[in-house]
Amino acid sequence: KAGVTQTPRYLIKTRGQQVTLSCSPISGHRSVSWYQQTPGQGLQFLFEYFSETQRNKGNFPGRFSGRQFSNSRSEMNVSTLELGDSALYLCASSWDALGARETQYFGPGTRLLVL
Amino acid sequence: SQQGEEDPQALSIQEGENATMNCSYKTSINNLQWYRQNSGRGLVHLILIRSNEREKHSGRLRVTLDTSKKSSSLLITASRAADTASYFCATPSGGSYIPTFGRGTSLIVHP
Repeated sequence: KAGVTQTPRYLIKTRGQQVTLSCSPISGHRSVSWYQQTPGQGLQFLFEYFSETQRNKGNFPGRFSGRQFSNSRSEMNVSTLELGDSALYLCASSWDALGARETQYFGPGTRLLVL
Repeated sequence: SQQGEEDPQALSIQEGENATMNCSYKTSINNLQWYRQNSGRGLVHLILIRSNEREKHSGRLRVTLDTSKKSSSLLITASRAADTASYFCATPSGGSYIPTFGRGTSLIVHP
């Protein structure tokens, strides 16, 4: 099976712009989670989508949003970009919703630089 | 706040040596997972160990879990240069199944 794919891999934006990142999960996986990784804060959970519904949400401002399509592909959007949004954004998929027995499989990430 | 914290923050060893890294966490867990991340790339899942398990093996990897001490260890035996990466433990926190990651241990294996 193909792994989790994320597009684009690299992105440069300026403050105030918005950005949309895309994630295609492993075929058959229904849960997609997004994480932000920065040197200062480490890996932080953004949100989880399962069957097109946001199931869990991390502690991020409303500028961060996402959605999931019927084919389980997911997008996340960041509006009004700030310098601090520069990070590696990781997408992870799992067959079922996050639970005690679920293993997440991560994509290679999208590296976003905000100037 | 961080649920899991890895120790040491950095580890430098020679090829062929064993590498041990530890993870401590604060609250009761259902499972604990270890991941590897090569420089600036995605995470690769290594092992999931459940709270009722004490030890698991996968190839050169050995993970132990001590729920009484709220700690886990990852042992990589006969390390290789290709093992150079950051290693993270992840535990669910806050009564949910959302994994919370520690800051990671940066392992460098010198050829």
